[in-house]
Amino acid sequence: NAGVMQNPRHLVRRRGQEARLRCSPVKGHSHVYWYRQLPEEGLKFMVYLQKENIIDESGMPKERFSAEFPKEGPSILRIQQVVRGDSAAYFCASSPVSGTRDRGITDTQYFGPGTRLTVL
Amino acid sequence: QKEVEQDPGPLSVPEGAIVSLNCTYSNSAFQYFMWYRQYSRKGPELLMYTYSSGNKEDGRFTAQVDKSSKYISLFIRDSQPSDSATYLCAMTPILTGGGNKLTFGTGTQLKVEL
Repeated sequence: NAGVMQNPRHLVRRRGQEARLRCSPVKGHSHVYWYRQLPEEGLKFMVYLQKENIIDESGMPKERFSAEFPKEGPSILRIQQVVRGDSAAYFCASSPVSGTRDRGITDTQYFGPGTRLTVL
Repeated sequence: QKEVEQDPGPLSVPEGAIVSLNCTYSNSAFQYFMWYRQYSRKGPELLMYTYSSGNKEDGRFTAQVDKSSKYISLFIRDSQPSDSATYLCAMTPILTGGGNKLTFGTGTQLKVEL
């Protein structure tokens, strides 16, 4: 019963390179969230995706960052032309359903172990 | 001002002590409140969640929400060294669309000493 998988666990890039972070949700989960955790700060929401669709990207920087969740395969968070300020832990979370307002039930987000990106 | 404020600690207590962790928030739209535990170099793990005001108990853990004061708490009874971790509060409103993006506090680092 595998949980959320993220790889790589550690990623080192030089300024200007591209970083690709992968997230495999819990089997059967079709909702994926990406969060970023900067040193001494809490987790910040970046983007919410369902299969093949970006639902909410209000937390994504306007440039260099993109995310996808294809029909087959893991979700990918892509950072182009990385800068030192991109160094952080990136966490993916998955959930089985979206929030259900009428029943007052919210989905539980299960987090992966994170990818720690270091930009030299 | 941050939407969610949480004292970063560190908080150091002796084994067996009662621990009180707290968050305040400013967004009155928040309806669901969660506590996550995060061990060093690991992902957050959901401990408890509550909806609106009130108390919820699960074993040694009790979560309290006071919406009138915009204040939430997590109590840990009979604390153990294995409780040493960072505790993150998180919250979300009832959204008009799909998805529940969480707003987190910065986390409180707890150390339970023998």
